[in-house]
Amino acid sequence: TQLLEQSPQFLSIQEGENLTVYCNSSSVFSSLQWYRQEPGEGPVLLVTVVTGGEVKKLKRLTFQFGDARKDSSLHITAAQTGDTGLYLCAGANAGGTSYGKLTFGQGTILTVHP
Amino acid sequence: ETGVTQTPRHLVMGMTNKKSLKCEQHLGHNAMYWYKQSAKKPLELMFVYNFKEQTENNSVPSRFSPECPNSSHLFLHLHTLQPEDSALYLCASSQPDRVVGYGYTFGSGTRLTVV
Repeated sequence: TQLLEQSPQFLSIQEGENLTVYCNSSSVFSSLQWYRQEPGEGPVLLVTVVTGGEVKKLKRLTFQFGDARKDSSLHITAAQTGDTGLYLCAGANAGGTSYGKLTFGQGTILTVHP
Repeated sequence: ETGVTQTPRHLVMGMTNKKSLKCEQHLGHNAMYWYKQSAKKPLELMFVYNFKEQTENNSVPSRFSPECPNSSHLFLHLHTLQPEDSALYLCASSQPDRVVGYGYTFGSGTRLTVV
């Protein structure tokens, strides 16, 4: 069974601060995805990283895929109150019994205070 | 309408009631999923359908009964639920051969409260 562990589970910071969320596994994934979920809504895909060592930037958000494709990180620069939400990482595999399935981490609840 | 649509958004039901959740996707995806999201717990995969066929039942109690009449529609029939079944039920769809690059598209969920 593939597992993804996210840390920290809870993060409470002031507007303007930087933060990093980690997603770790002992399994190799074909891709790592990050979703953001707001209260009362479903998760929305933010980014997919596919290549080991890949770094993607989405405005103030920087996503990195580990060289061995087992871990990922999400870094937010100068957090804003609008960044508040649940951040989920998910691992995908291209074939085998995991074809078409995602393995989700337990999530990180981020609260950004004004 | 595009994306994944779930109805109703909110549902309150008694333990002896029978109700159904509906999910509809207009993305041309071939796979649909039901997830349960409870407070302080990770997303729990319940059922997977590929091309209308159920390919996974993640040890879900029989009081939850899924139905997939076609690739665009997915239902979750509920009967004699327990208070611990109160949760956000999320539907998602995907194109299985593109999950690696494009992931899932989720609906907004149905907030279910069992009283």
